[in-house]
Amino acid sequence: DVKVTQSSRYLVKRTGEKVFLECVQDMDHENMFWYRQDPGLGLRLIYFSYDVKMKEKGDIPEGYSVSREKKERFSLILESASTNQTSMYLCASSSLWDISYNEQFFGPGTRLTVL
Amino acid sequence: DAKTTQPTSMDCAEGRAANLPCNHSTISGNEYVYWYRQIHSQGPQYIIHGLKNNETNEMASLIITEDRKSSTLILPHATLRDTAVYYCIVDAGNMLTFGGGTRLMVKP
Repeated sequence: DVKVTQSSRYLVKRTGEKVFLECVQDMDHENMFWYRQDPGLGLRLIYFSYDVKMKEKGDIPEGYSVSREKKERFSLILESASTNQTSMYLCASSSLWDISYNEQFFGPGTRLTVL
Repeated sequence: DAKTTQPTSMDCAEGRAANLPCNHSTISGNEYVYWYRQIHSQGPQYIIHGLKNNETNEMASLIITEDRKSSTLILPHATLRDTAVYYCIVDAGNMLTFGGGTRLMVKP
């Protein structure tokens, strides 16, 4: 059974803290993605990665960075958390090689609250 | 600009077919139509996709009009567990852009 796991389901942090959200996939997928989901705004892409050590900005990268040191792991970093980063964060992965079949597998999400 | 237009919400009686429409009038020739759904408190889940032909799998059927400007996702016998937000997405590569989706409520 394919699986994408995220380090926490719920996280509470204080303004200014450095926050790490971890995502691990066991499907040997090349692509990994970080989204945030907010009521009324849907899912918005923050960053994605096509390979180890590669990263590309999505639609809303400001205030975030990412790290992909190993193929199976993609980390989202909030350098200095702010209250407007309170959101649901979703990680996903997909295979690079079949562009006619873009099934992304999503993790369960991390609900981050910044106080 | 949004590539797809979907109704905000729909209701369906349990056991009946749920037909979810999607308009994508500006779809390009190489773009696929994807459907995902998101059940409350879970990540989105792939349902089905297609390019030109109608498609069917164990979850649903996808009907794409001949001009490809619209499509319909059909859940043949909706159950309470099908209550979710359904997203119609057009895509030509590795990127998926999620819009607002349709909130489907299946009622007993």
